Amino acid sequence: ELKVEQNPLFLSMQEGKNYTIYCNYSTTSDRLYWYRQDPGKSLESLFVLLSNGAVKQEGRLMASLDTKARLSTLHITAAVHDLSATYFCAVRGYYGGSQGNLIFGKGTKLSVKP
Amino acid sequence: DVKVTQSSRYLVKRTGEKVFLECVQDMDHENMFWYRQDPGLGLRLIYFSYDVKMKEKGDIPEGYSVSREKKERFSLILESASTNQTSMYLCASRAPGGGETQYFGPGTRLLVL
Repeated sequence: ELKVEQNPLFLSMQEGKNYTIYCNYSTTSDRLYWYRQDPGKSLESLFVLLSNGAVKQEGRLMASLDTKARLSTLHITAAVHDLSATYFCAVRGYYGGSQGNLIFGKGTKLSVKP
Repeated sequence: DVKVTQSSRYLVKRTGEKVFLECVQDMDHENMFWYRQDPGLGLRLIYFSYDVKMKEKGDIPEGYSVSREKKERFSLILESASTNQTSMYLCASRAPGGGETQYFGPGTRLLVL
């Protein structure tokens, strides 16, 4: 059974600091996704990582994937208040051998304080 | 621009009622999904569909059914609503093939009294 674990689940940061969110998954998967969710809102796609060693960056967020270690990281550089949200990672699982559904971690609630 | 819409943002229903949640996507995607999101549990897959009239059970299908009569529309049905079905329900769609992300609707927050 494919499981996805994120840590930390809660993260309180000061503006300007750096931090990393970790996403571990239990079995082989060839796709890793990061989403952002603002309070009361839906999920917004941030990154799709497709291969070992993939790195993607958007603004102050950078995501990487190590398929051998079954680990993805989301690194936050010089945090600002606007980054406060819940971040989910997800990996592609399989039901009946088809259609690559996503298995989500429980999410990391990030709060950036001045 | 990608768009997934859900029929209601908030719903209040009584125990035992039959509840319909509608989801429509305008991207001509084959794959559509229904999740529920609960605090501390993340997102859990209820059902998904990979084509019209096709459906597959997810992790927690009990108490739910789905309908996909048209490609753009995927309905979630609570046959007899119960209080433990109070939750946020999220619909998503995805094009087939590798690498494509899932696009989510705004969500329906359902309260069953």
